[in-house]
Amino acid sequence: GQQVMQIPQYQHVQEGEDFTTYCNSSTTLSNIQWYKQRPGGHPVFLIQLVKSGEVKKQKRLTFQFGEAKKNSSLHITATQTTDVGTYFCADSSGSARQLTFGSGTQLTVLP
Amino acid sequence: NAGVTQTPKFQVLKTGQSMTLQCAQDMNHEYMSWYRQDPGMGLRLIHYSVGAGITDQGEVPNGYNVSRSTTEDFPLRLLSAAPSQTSVYFCASSRGQETQYFGPGTRLLVL
Repeated sequence: GQQVMQIPQYQHVQEGEDFTTYCNSSTTLSNIQWYKQRPGGHPVFLIQLVKSGEVKKQKRLTFQFGEAKKNSSLHITATQTTDVGTYFCADSSGSARQLTFGSGTQLTVLP
Repeated sequence: NAGVTQTPKFQVLKTGQSMTLQCAQDMNHEYMSWYRQDPGMGLRLIHYSVGAGITDQGEVPNGYNVSRSTTEDFPLRLLSAAPSQTSVYFCASSRGQETQYFGPGTRLLVL
């Protein structure tokens, strides 16, 4: 079935540094969704990208969808301790629109 | 709106016991799903439903049953618990291919 690879698995940054996580697929994605999960919490929807080459921003977060719709990235500028958590990408190319999640990137922000 | 609710929050079972994890949503969403989350493996789809009376298997369905008699409820049944089913279980609902709303999760330990 559809597989979405996400890297890195872990990332430790100093507060104020930037952070990027990447999702890659061997096949074309119909769309990509991004979720954030705080420690001990549940995944919370951040954004959905649909169009080839699409770029969306939410304050310090920038989301990109590749031109070939086979990869996506989430970039956080000047991380804050509130950014701590695991970031997941998810693809809904499967039948009946169920989501296939990447393995996630766990972000730690050191004060 | 309460959103997606799950009960219980925590559960300890002995091998071979059965139990039902409850999930309910009050957003009139057609789509409901069950995921399990294990360390380093992201979220894996167990079963999903595209409407009342319709269910289908996801990536890891073995050992679990579901039913969808109403739009609001989507219980997950463990028929004979095994240690390999120790995990965090999340229920989610959505309207089609849009945002998935996750419940707070059930943490299950099988001894």
